[in-house]
Amino acid sequence: DGGITQSPKYLFRKEGQNVTLSCEQNLNHDAMYWYRQDPGQGLRLIYYSQIVNDFQKGDIAEGYSVSREKKESFPLTVTSAQKNPTAFYLCASSTGTGLTDTQYFGPGTRLTVL
Amino acid sequence: AQSVTQPDIHITVSEGASLELRCNYSYGATPYLFWYVQSPGQGLQLLLKYFSGDTLVQGIKGFEAEFKRSQSSFNLRKPSVHWSDAAEYFCAVGMDSSYKLIFGSGTRLLVRP
Repeated sequence: DGGITQSPKYLFRKEGQNVTLSCEQNLNHDAMYWYRQDPGQGLRLIYYSQIVNDFQKGDIAEGYSVSREKKESFPLTVTSAQKNPTAFYLCASSTGTGLTDTQYFGPGTRLTVL
Repeated sequence: AQSVTQPDIHITVSEGASLELRCNYSYGATPYLFWYVQSPGQGLQLLLKYFSGDTLVQGIKGFEAEFKRSQSSFNLRKPSVHWSDAAEYFCAVGMDSSYKLIFGSGTRLLVRP
């Protein structure tokens, strides 16, 4: 079964801790994305990667970091510098970063800061 | 700057009734337009997209959308709603020179039995 997996589904973190969200895809897609979703708002882009070992900041990258060491994996670290990290995080992938390349989304990780 | 407006936060329809979800965008040129659906606690699934050509676009699950340039709109429609259509629907717009999608704030659809 091809698709995108995100783990864990729910994550709780104490203030001041870093936490890493996993995103894996077996679609052989070059491009991967991380979005943040808050209640009553659309998705906002955190980071994206067009190819292995390359990534770019999106609109709200502050307090987040990523790596892209393998084509199939694009983990997101929420650092203690992120002032309001409680949100639903969605990972997506596509064959390329053109708008004609459909983005496929994972099931998401809900992060709660205690 | 580009923006997307979904003026209805919630919409409730009866099962079997028709549905129209509104989406307006702000962009100078012809945009790339998308509708996504999100079931509770899940990721987004693409329903349909418009890049060029015929302004009436057919999608999955019986949905369609019409691009109206004069109104800067891309409304989503379905002739007969099923209970399984209850979800949140997001309109998104992109520019052909950019990778980025701009999402609206979403419309939550509730379906009455």
